[in-house]
Amino acid sequence: DIQMTQSPSTLSASVGDRVTITCRASQTIDNWLAWYQQKSGKAPKLLIYKASRLESGVPSRFSGSGSDTEFTLTINNLQPDDFATYYCQQYIGYSCSFGQGTKLEIK
Amino acid sequence: EVQLLESGGGLVQPGGSLRVSCAASGFTFSSFAMYWVRQAPGKGLEWVSGISGGGGSTYDSDSVKGRFTISRDNSKNTLYLQMNSLRVEDTAVYYCAKGTRPTPGTSHEHWGQGTLVTVSS
Repeated sequence: DIQMTQSPSTLSASVGDRVTITCRASQTIDNWLAWYQQKSGKAPKLLIYKASRLESGVPSRFSGSGSDTEFTLTINNLQPDDFATYYCQQYIGYSCSFGQGTKLEIK
Repeated sequence: EVQLLESGGGLVQPGGSLRVSCAASGFTFSSFAMYWVRQAPGKGLEWVSGISGGGGSTYDSDSVKGRFTISRDNSKNTLYLQMNSLRVEDTAVYYCAKGTRPTPGTSHEHWGQGTLVTVSS
């Protein structure tokens, strides 16, 4: 099974900041990686797929990069609506797996 | 508009069985792989199972293999998860999600609101 490890687990930032979340895969997954945002009590929302492609309707301040085993999600100019938990997911095989999540908190 | 509506959650005793459903609308159901993802209270997301658009191929996580069965009825636009031999650690909100093509191994572009399954004596 492919293990996904996110860092940090918690991130404190302020409105207007630029933040980066890292996701590492235990083996190469090419660019078969997605990022999701989840707010408390709500379903996850797809932000980015194939490592760097922005889902329709997602603000351009979100961006993704990386390949093989190391990936990043960057959020520029943090907005109040962005404080949430973020998950990476690999989907190279028919069985998927998620990272443990990164909680983005207001400083 | 894509809509996914889960139902069937509830309280069940350890060792018991439960079937949850996901009614889909707003897209050609048989053309897309579908998935179940769960989230235990206060924990992260855990991928559970996936099924191809035609229903002929299914994939399960090791944690549920042999106990849970994913299936679909394309005539009813409905996805199912039959859960047997339930354990306390299966307590979670169960989400259904839509893939982006007929074969599994895709991102999950739409999600339902989830249904809570509680396993407790």
